[in-house]
Amino acid sequence: DQQVKQNSPSLSVQEGRISILNCDYTNSMFDYFLWYKKYPAEGPTFLISISSIKDKNEDGRFTVFLNKSAKHLSLHIVPSQPGDSAVYFCAASGDAGNMLTFGGGTRLMVKP
Amino acid sequence: KAGVTQTPRYLIKTRGQQVTLSCSPISGHRSVSWYQQTPGQGLQFLFEYFSETQRNKGNFPGRFSGRQFSNSRSEMNVSTLELGDSALYLCASSQDFRNTIYFGEGSWLTVV
Repeated sequence: DQQVKQNSPSLSVQEGRISILNCDYTNSMFDYFLWYKKYPAEGPTFLISISSIKDKNEDGRFTVFLNKSAKHLSLHIVPSQPGDSAVYFCAASGDAGNMLTFGGGTRLMVKP
Repeated sequence: KAGVTQTPRYLIKTRGQQVTLSCSPISGHRSVSWYQQTPGQGLQFLFEYFSETQRNKGNFPGRFSGRQFSNSRSEMNVSTLELGDSALYLCASSQDFRNTIYFGEGSWLTVV
């Protein structure tokens, strides 16, 4: 039972345009969400997080939106750059400590 | 500020052997958690330690164990290695609950 899902395995975007990565969750106990960027054989790099008391959080080119009623979050990258090409994971946690449940990842390719 | 440090980075073991992986969290971080990444199962939570106590445990067999020392450094051990244990093992640290979780570069284990 996948509690966190990223339904798009891959996404291709032109440099300078917006990248939108989506994530759905089923566990209503999740109340803290994080996005990570990952290259093969390396550890995930933290990008941005959001608590369930907010519906939006921004950090530079990255914005995360949370729709609690739909159990959906999205990561917007504007403008997209070729260096953004990587696999992006969303992760969620509830009130049981720092136990992250990850989605399957979306491979983003930003074309020059 | 140094990041999360994991050793060794790469290792090869034989079926039936045991392995110990080490993790040094970011200075001041008291929560250390471990994850396994495989192509088939994605990123899965193993366990979390906080102030030397196991706070959470994922759905892995008892062959997987861990501990945390008084300086917050952590080790995980896998006994009686199986071919399916081949994976990237990631350590993550955080100051406490609901703080950003940072990952190390990982230890790549190959079981032959």
